[in-house]
Amino acid sequence: LAKTTQPISMDSYEGQEVNITCSHNNIATNDYITWYQQFPSQGPRFIIQGYKTKVTNEVASLFIPADRKSSTLSLPRVSLSDTAVYYCLVGVNQAGTALIFGKGTTLSVSS
Amino acid sequence: GAVVSQHPSRVICKSGTSVKIECRSLDFQATTMFWYRQFPKQSLMLMATSNEGSKATYEQGVEKDKFLINHASLTLSTLTVTSAHPEDSSFYICSARGQDRVESNQPQHFGDGTRLSIL
Repeated sequence: LAKTTQPISMDSYEGQEVNITCSHNNIATNDYITWYQQFPSQGPRFIIQGYKTKVTNEVASLFIPADRKSSTLSLPRVSLSDTAVYYCLVGVNQAGTALIFGKGTTLSVSS
Repeated sequence: GAVVSQHPSRVICKSGTSVKIECRSLDFQATTMFWYRQFPKQSLMLMATSNEGSKATYEQGVEKDKFLINHASLTLSTLTVTSAHPEDSSFYICSARGQDRVESNQPQHFGDGTRLSIL
């Protein structure tokens, strides 16, 4: 399973764009890249998933370069409620295969 | 979207008690569910993979006789912490990945976790 490396923590202010980069140098051909958000005492919540290039949904964008050895989660105009831990996970997207969590990035948004 | 429900959300009990946690996929079938454990300020640690109709697969270091897993149907998996002790106090989270007949790239969905406190 590909190991991921993310910054331990990041600080931002309300209204700013936040970019969290994840390194996954050993990503396999069949691996997808998935990002989750976790608030204290809650289960992780799916944010976005991608395989290559760019993926955008209503809450975030995911940028993946051609070599797929890294990915960047972009959160536009963060608010205080975006303060959470963000996990980057890489793995084969099959029903019998569990995602392995790294340490995640703790994002703190201030007013 | 896919919803995973976990019950109870919080349990406080005496040492030596056995505690059962339920995990249900509400709007999809899950032949496989996963159980994680999370200590304060730490990441999620995979404990076991629960397979419908067969024995669970446990990660290295996880005692299968301590953490009993039953996956009796396509929508329900249970984790029983047997003879729980204070060191078993933790946040337990289940997850499942749906099997869409049209698409194969289904993300893993998580329950809201169970806070287990053993006194």
